Amino acid sequence: QKEVEQNSGPLSVPEGAIASLNCTYSDRVSQSFFWYRQYSGKSPELIMSIYSNGDKEDGRFTAQLNKASQYVSLLIRDSQPSDSATYLCAVNDPYGGSQGNLIFGKGTKLSVKP
Amino acid sequence: GAVVSQHPSRVICKSGTSVKIECRSLDFQATTMFWYRQFPKQSLMLMATSNEGSKATYEQGVEKDKFLINHASLTLSTLTVTSAHPEDSSFYICSAHPRTALGTDTQYFGPGTRLTVL
Repeated sequence: QKEVEQNSGPLSVPEGAIASLNCTYSDRVSQSFFWYRQYSGKSPELIMSIYSNGDKEDGRFTAQLNKASQYVSLLIRDSQPSDSATYLCAVNDPYGGSQGNLIFGKGTKLSVKP
Repeated sequence: GAVVSQHPSRVICKSGTSVKIECRSLDFQATTMFWYRQFPKQSLMLMATSNEGSKATYEQGVEKDKFLINHASLTLSTLTVTSAHPEDSSFYICSAHPRTALGTDTQYFGPGTRLTVL
């Protein structure tokens, strides 16, 4: 059973704090990892992709990947109320029939309080 | 870049009618397009995967005769919900994998279509 696990939350942080979102995945063969942001009533929007162990930074966002632990995380620095959304972790399905097949977690709801 | 559009954004129809939803990649060619459904406060559910010029691959439990998918070109896929019923009311979202993204698995999502069946 291929699984991507996320804490459903809600995760509540004060404005300006660091929000830390975590994700674990079951298939060791997976090679591509993504974080999507989904506002209520909207479709997911790609924030970050990461393929190698370590950290990848893009503005206020840092994705961290540890393949040995099958763990990927997203840090949001200087959190803003506009960051309040559901964050979806996605991992490639190495056995999917087509390029681009992803397995999505159920998402973590983040609430940034002013 | 990597813009995906969907049309219509919202549709209300009577039970028993069919509804067609279009998904277009506007500035790239898509080798593969994906169709998802999302019920309120629930996670994305993959319905089917379609490759241009071939039959769609449906996920377990998704009726292929009810949800017809046509992927006629590298920039257009359509989902037709046939004989829609109230339980088909949901948020339908497509995504596309760019042809230039071979070797990665990036998907770009359309804005979604909210279907309400009365």
